[in-house]
Amino acid sequence: EAQVTQNPRYLITVTGKKLTVTCSQNMNHEYMSWYRQDPGLGLRQIYYSMNVEVTDKGDVPEGYKVSRKEKRNFPLILESPSPNQTSLYFCASSPDTGYYGYTFGSGTRLTVV
Amino acid sequence: RKEVEQDPGPFNVPEGATVAFNCTYSNSASQSFFWYRQDCRKEPKLLMSVYSSGNEDGRFTAQLNRASQYISLLIRDSKLSDSATYLCVVTLNQAGTALIFGKGTTLSVSS
Repeated sequence: EAQVTQNPRYLITVTGKKLTVTCSQNMNHEYMSWYRQDPGLGLRQIYYSMNVEVTDKGDVPEGYKVSRKEKRNFPLILESPSPNQTSLYFCASSPDTGYYGYTFGSGTRLTVV
Repeated sequence: RKEVEQDPGPFNVPEGATVAFNCTYSNSASQSFFWYRQDCRKEPKLLMSVYSSGNEDGRFTAQLNRASQYISLLIRDSKLSDSATYLCVVTLNQAGTALIFGKGTTLSVSS
């Protein structure tokens, strides 16, 4: 089944404790992206990647890192999480043009206390 | 500022009703247009792309007016299962990497 898989689905952590949210897609998509969704703000892009070893900042990259060492994986790293990073996070992937839209993972609900 | 504006609703309609959602975008350089559907606490799912000529998929019809920078979604014969939030999405570049989401319009269909 073609899908984008994120882990974990739920995570509660403490301020400052480094964490990684994994994202993997099995569709051989070139483009991958991370979004966060907050009430009243909608979905906002954090980082995106056009291909292996090619990443770029989205609208809200502060406090996040990403890497794209393999085509299928695009982990999101929070080096020192803070409470304002409490959010619902989505990973998404797309073929080599935005014409086809994105396929989203099931989401990771992160709480930083 | 790049923006996509939608009426947040909620739109409360009975089963069988026809409902229309509108969306405006501010960046005239926008390249591609989509409607996504999002159920509560779940991931957005692509409902349909929106083409300049307009397109239809069953009970759903999407229209794009580039001159007015306006996108619409029409749902005919509403079903209970159509209850969700509908997101208008615009890409700002050919590659589709700069995706701008509207905040969504909530639809509630009742029996």
